[in-house]
Amino acid sequence: EVQLVESGGGLVLPGRSLRLSCTTSGFAFDDYTMSWFRQAPGKGLEWIGFIRREAYGGTTDYAASVRGRFTISRDDSKDTAYLHMNNLKIDDTAVYYCTRCRDYIWGSYGDYWGQGTPVTVSS
Amino acid sequence: DIRMTQSPSSLSASVGDRITITCRASQGISKDLAWFQQTPGKGPKSLIYDASKLESGVPSKFSGSGSGTDFTLTISTLQPEDFATYYCQQYHTYPLTFGGGTKVEIK
Repeated sequence: EVQLVESGGGLVLPGRSLRLSCTTSGFAFDDYTMSWFRQAPGKGLEWIGFIRREAYGGTTDYAASVRGRFTISRDDSKDTAYLHMNNLKIDDTAVYYCTRCRDYIWGSYGDYWGQGTPVTVSS
Repeated sequence: DIRMTQSPSSLSASVGDRITITCRASQGISKDLAWFQQTPGKGPKSLIYDASKLESGVPSKFSGSGSGTDFTLTISTLQPEDFATYYCQQYHTYPLTFGGGTKVEIK
C-alpha cells in the first residue's frame, strides 16, 4: 500500500525557518518525482514545487510565490522528501501536502497524497 | 499561468442524484487534466487523470470527459460518501494550477 506521511509542521514566527518531511512506503521512491502542495485555511490547492528523481538529474522547480525561499530535497536512502522553508510569511500559513507524481512531458500530477501537516506563521 | 475555472462553486444534491461539474482552462491543455476528491481533514484523492481515465480502485460511477479547454466530471447515483469538495487540475505545463473547487452538499 502506497503511503505518504508528512511531519514537521507547527507554529513558527514570521521570518523563521521550518523543515517538513514526507516519509513514504509501498513504492519505489527513487523512481518517482515528488511534489509539495499547500492549502490555506478555507482555500483551494496551490502547487509549491517538485523534485525529479535522481535518474533525471534531481532537478527542481518552484512556484513564483515561494521561489528563493523554499527548497525541496530528497534522500532516496530514506524514501523521504523534504520541504525547507525560509523567511516564512503569514501568508504561508496552510496545510502542506506531499505527493507522489506521475510525470508527463511538461507537467505532472499527484496520484497519491499524504494527509498533510499544518503550518501556522504568526507572531 | 493557465487559469482553471470550475463551476458551480457549490451545489446541493440528494442521494441517488446524478451531478456534473465543469472545468474550463484559459488555454488549450489537450487532455492533461486530473480530478480530485477531498473530504474535510484529509488530503485529496485522485479520481481521474488524462481527462477521462479512472484511477485504479475508483468506482465507475465517476466519469470524466473533455479535451482542449472544456472538461466535465460526472458522478452518477450520488452516495453519502460522495459528499465532498472536488477539484480539477491541469498538468499541461508548470506551474500546475487548480480550479477553485466544487463543494457537493446534501440537500
